[in-house]
Amino acid sequence: AQSVTQLDSHVSVSEGTPVLLRCNYSSSYSPSLFWYVQHPNKGLQLLLKYTSAATLVKGINGFEAEFKKSETSFHLTKPSAHMSDAAEYFCVVSGAAGNKLTFGGGTRVLVKP
Amino acid sequence: KAGVTQTPRYLIKTRGQQVTLSCSPISGHRSVSWYQQTPGQGLQFLFEYFSETQRNKGNFPGRFSGRQFSNSRSEMNVSTLELGDSALYLCASSTVQGALGTDTQYFGPGTRLTVL
Repeated sequence: AQSVTQLDSHVSVSEGTPVLLRCNYSSSYSPSLFWYVQHPNKGLQLLLKYTSAATLVKGINGFEAEFKKSETSFHLTKPSAHMSDAAEYFCVVSGAAGNKLTFGGGTRVLVKP
Repeated sequence: KAGVTQTPRYLIKTRGQQVTLSCSPISGHRSVSWYQQTPGQGLQFLFEYFSETQRNKGNFPGRFSGRQFSNSRSEMNVSTLELGDSALYLCASSTVQGALGTDTQYFGPGTRLTVL
């Protein structure tokens, strides 16, 4: 079985400052890990995906995440926040068989002007 | 390429009724998964269909069911609706069968179900 814990339910940043969203996972095998973003009243958009090819994964809109097996973490970062980054972000782990995704509880990001 | 489409986008039902939601995957995608999103429980996996067969199932009661057609379109049905079934229902599609869970799932905009 796998699980995901997002350590912050809310994060508030000023526009132009760095964003850090923290995620720890638990899995009995080598997982695939994802970050998705959900803007208000919208579906989920894939930001990036880790599948063991490289520990530092670059995604869309300037986001990147680093996989650290020793810490079982997959934190998401962006060097400079933009107002359009205000949304809810989900850290996700994929199951060993098939496409059963397990979601973290989500982190809501507020960007202040 | 068109994305995942879901119909209807909004539904209002009353307790005891049943409802059917529809999902059309991205062209060429053969796997369709369904998720329920609520403020209290977050995002939870309902089930996955591949080649018209249910391949995975989450921990939901039997009132929740689904099916997939030969063109990969999928429907989910909820019978005897309860107030707690009010949620955003998301559908996701992916390409191949999902060896070792590496497929990327692409989500539709969801169907917002309100049960009164």
